[in-house]
Amino acid sequence: ETGVTQTPRHLVMGMTNKKSLKCEQHLGHNAMYWYKQSAKKPLELMFVYNFKEQTENNSVPSRFSPECPNSSHLFLHLHTLQPEDSALYLCASSQENGNGYTFGSGTRLTVV
Amino acid sequence: EDQVTQSPEALRLQEGESSSLNCSYTVSGLRGLFWYRQDPGKGPEFLFTLYSAGEEKEKERLKATLTKKESFLHITAPKPEDSATYLCAVQGSNYQLIWGAGTKLIIKP
Repeated sequence: ETGVTQTPRHLVMGMTNKKSLKCEQHLGHNAMYWYKQSAKKPLELMFVYNFKEQTENNSVPSRFSPECPNSSHLFLHLHTLQPEDSALYLCASSQENGNGYTFGSGTRLTVV
Repeated sequence: EDQVTQSPEALRLQEGESSSLNCSYTVSGLRGLFWYRQDPGKGPEFLFTLYSAGEEKEKERLKATLTKKESFLHITAPKPEDSATYLCAVQGSNYQLIWGAGTKLIIKP
């Protein structure tokens, strides 16, 4: 167990579905992140939250909507996704200065 | 532009055959260089942070080194359980992490 828990581990959804990914950490970290990982590509930062406030949104399409209700929980709401959105979605947490990220095991998303 | 390039893309070694993975970088105001290990179906697992040129860190069969332009992850007498994808990232003055695409390491028994 890494200290960062992501659910579900696998998700298959149609292009018209709405689903949510959940991330939870109890490491006392102040920052949480959503990353997209596609095969043979670098990790793509999607969103950053510091002390529950969104501080980064790297030009992510509006079909991805993050939510951070408290410093321990992070959600990624998904709707009307495209097949090219299929990827491994990773959640991570860190102290405020971004040193030493702890990652969850990810959600393997397939859009059909 | 901040950039990280890892090479080779994939590396196959026999058990016990030592080698090195490379991470070349350009970044404004290096705050740290990070190495992670990622197993299939799992998230990256933190290995090392290096802060300044000349610094070295070791953990079991792994040793990470840093210069002003690149970092090496040396693996000595690897075992099959060292097979994984190794990721490198740098943190610049804006605190953002810039990631490389990784090196997939396969150790054959």
